[in-house]
Amino acid sequence: ILNVEQSPQSLHVQEGDSTNFTCSFPSSNFYALHWYRWETAKSPEALFVMTLNGDEKKKGRISATLNTKEGYSYLYIKGSQPEDSATYLCALSQGGSEKLVFGKGTKLTVNP
Amino acid sequence: DTAVSQTPKYLVTQMGNDKSIKCEQNLGHDTMYWYKQDSKKFLKIMFSYNNKELIINETVPNRFSPKSPDKAHLNLHINSLELGDSAVYFCASSQDLRQGYQETQYFGPGTRLLVL
Repeated sequence: ILNVEQSPQSLHVQEGDSTNFTCSFPSSNFYALHWYRWETAKSPEALFVMTLNGDEKKKGRISATLNTKEGYSYLYIKGSQPEDSATYLCALSQGGSEKLVFGKGTKLTVNP
Repeated sequence: DTAVSQTPKYLVTQMGNDKSIKCEQNLGHDTMYWYKQDSKKFLKIMFSYNNKELIINETVPNRFSPKSPDKAHLNLHINSLELGDSAVYFCASSQDLRQGYQETQYFGPGTRLLVL
């Protein structure tokens, strides 16, 4: 069974704090790693798709890095705002498999 | 305009009934998916279709039958509903699964199914 682990499960920070969380996955047969942002009662929304070891992607105050050799990706949020409150999901695809396997997500709450 | 839409948003029904959930995407994508968010909050793939052809069929009871009348629609029909079918079901689409899994998936708003 392919496991995609995310930590921590939940996180509370103050407005203005910077934060980061982790997605861990099996490094063998890596194909792509996706990050999604999922606000309560809305649809998951794609943030990044990462494919190359050492990849770094940025979208506004959110950035992500990828290490395929050791099997992890970090998501960073700089200067968190209350509107960043959401669950952040990562999902893995492996070569030879035509499906995404999702982690359980990290639920971020940013307090004003 | 909503890119991926699902109807209904909420569905409350009795055990044993048959129900359908509809999904439509207006993105011109070739591939569509059904996911189930289980009780542990994981999103798990159920089915995917590429241009009306079934590509992925995970270990799902055969009471669940997807139907794709055209590449913009993927409906999910569930027969003989059971209590354990209560979950949130998400539809998604992507450009073309056959091009590889670098394609971003776009999700619908989810259908919250409650079986009593």
